[in-house]
Amino acid sequence: RKEVEQDPGPFNVPEGATVAFNCTYSNSASQSFFWYRQDCRKEPKLLMSVYSSGNEDGRFTAQLNRASQYISLLIRDSKLSDSATYLCVVSTGGSKTIFGAGTRLFVKA
Amino acid sequence: DAMVIQNPRYQVTQFGKPVTLSCSQTLNHNVMYWYQQKSSQAPKLLFHYYDKDFNNEADTPDNFQSRRPNTSFCFLDIRSPGLGDAAMYLCATSGDSGGLQETQYFGPGTRLLVL
Repeated sequence: RKEVEQDPGPFNVPEGATVAFNCTYSNSASQSFFWYRQDCRKEPKLLMSVYSSGNEDGRFTAQLNRASQYISLLIRDSKLSDSATYLCVVSTGGSKTIFGAGTRLFVKA
Repeated sequence: DAMVIQNPRYQVTQFGKPVTLSCSQTLNHNVMYWYQQKSSQAPKLLFHYYDKDFNNEADTPDNFQSRRPNTSFCFLDIRSPGLGDAAMYLCATSGDSGGLQETQYFGPGTRLLVL
């Protein structure tokens, strides 16, 4: 079993749709959780950190479920510019970081 | 202003010919990482420095080495590149929150081609 697993997609959605991504992790000692966005042939960039209480940034909402060991990302009112690969990142502390393989999103006009 | 700089952006080398990739940062972060990313795959951590302390991942081949002469610079040396080493190499930095992982800031990457 991979340490961090994501549905690779791709997810093809129309503009304005709501889309949700899930990510599961295997190490119960994991401490920090992030969603990064990576555009084609570009470097990953932080989208948002994920906290136990959940957090929201505009159209993006992230949730963490420690008991079930998964995190989620919800994108509302999808824009064409949201098309990218979304990477789930989990850290066990001590600078040990594991990336998921990413979920590809295509938003169509 | 660029915060994590990688040079060169594209590197072509010959099979078996040593190559060095460089990374510099203006963030004064004490942690620097090197990742390898192949097409449609996750970035794979090769190693990282916590200040001067080098941390190698267990499955990183000996062919990959790293140097960090000071806080700002970090180098990735590939001693004998093979065709399978063709990939994007990403450098990242982060600060220190007493053990908790902070946000990583990535450079634009160096795309390595091995002929």
